[in-house]
Amino acid sequence: NAGVTQTPKFRILKIGQSMTLQCTQDMNHNYMYWYRQDPGMGLKLIYYSVGAGITDKGEVPNGYNVSRSTTEDFPLRLELAAPSQTSVYFCASSYWDTAYEQYFGPGTRLTVT
Amino acid sequence: KQEVTQIPAALSVPEGENLVLNCSFTDSAIYNLQWFRQDPGKGLTSLLLIQSSQREQTSGRLNASLDKSSGRSTLYIAASQPGDSATYLCAVKQVGGGTSYGKLTFGQGTILTVHP
Repeated sequence: NAGVTQTPKFRILKIGQSMTLQCTQDMNHNYMYWYRQDPGMGLKLIYYSVGAGITDKGEVPNGYNVSRSTTEDFPLRLELAAPSQTSVYFCASSYWDTAYEQYFGPGTRLTVT
Repeated sequence: KQEVTQIPAALSVPEGENLVLNCSFTDSAIYNLQWFRQDPGKGLTSLLLIQSSQREQTSGRLNASLDKSSGRSTLYIAASQPGDSATYLCAVKQVGGGTSYGKLTFGQGTILTVHP
């Protein structure tokens, strides 16, 4: 049981490039989330999904897109990367919403130059 | 808007000390509060989850309490060890829909250093 896995671990992008951050969970969780963590700050929610085919915006969605075609996978797409998107990105999942723990992946460290 | 504050921002203690990390939140309409540990360059590891109806949770040397009405939680670490050195984050899951749905609101963390 690998839990939540993320790839890549590190990436450097040039301004204007695009990329997809991959996230997979093998716990059959319904809910999945993408957060970003800026230095010295707490995590902020980018997008979340309550099940396959259903996604919605969090508090900082601009510049990102997501899809959820399967229960296991929740990729995050960055279009036209900007320096403001330099951050560490964490994917998380939980079985359901209110009473359940969120489990986090190891993160992707992204630098946009 | 929910705001979560952690005090102190950093803490350095000698091995063996008992210590308390504090977390406060502004909106008491929460489902639960979760404490995490984050090692440098790593992801978050869940330590304890306290439901809004609970007062405390214990796991080994860790004990977390919750006083929802006053908007406070504490994480107590007994007999600290150098291996406890990490950043400790608290996060609340608040009641509500829209962009708040399922969202954890995080504090900025307490950086703990336990020296031998």
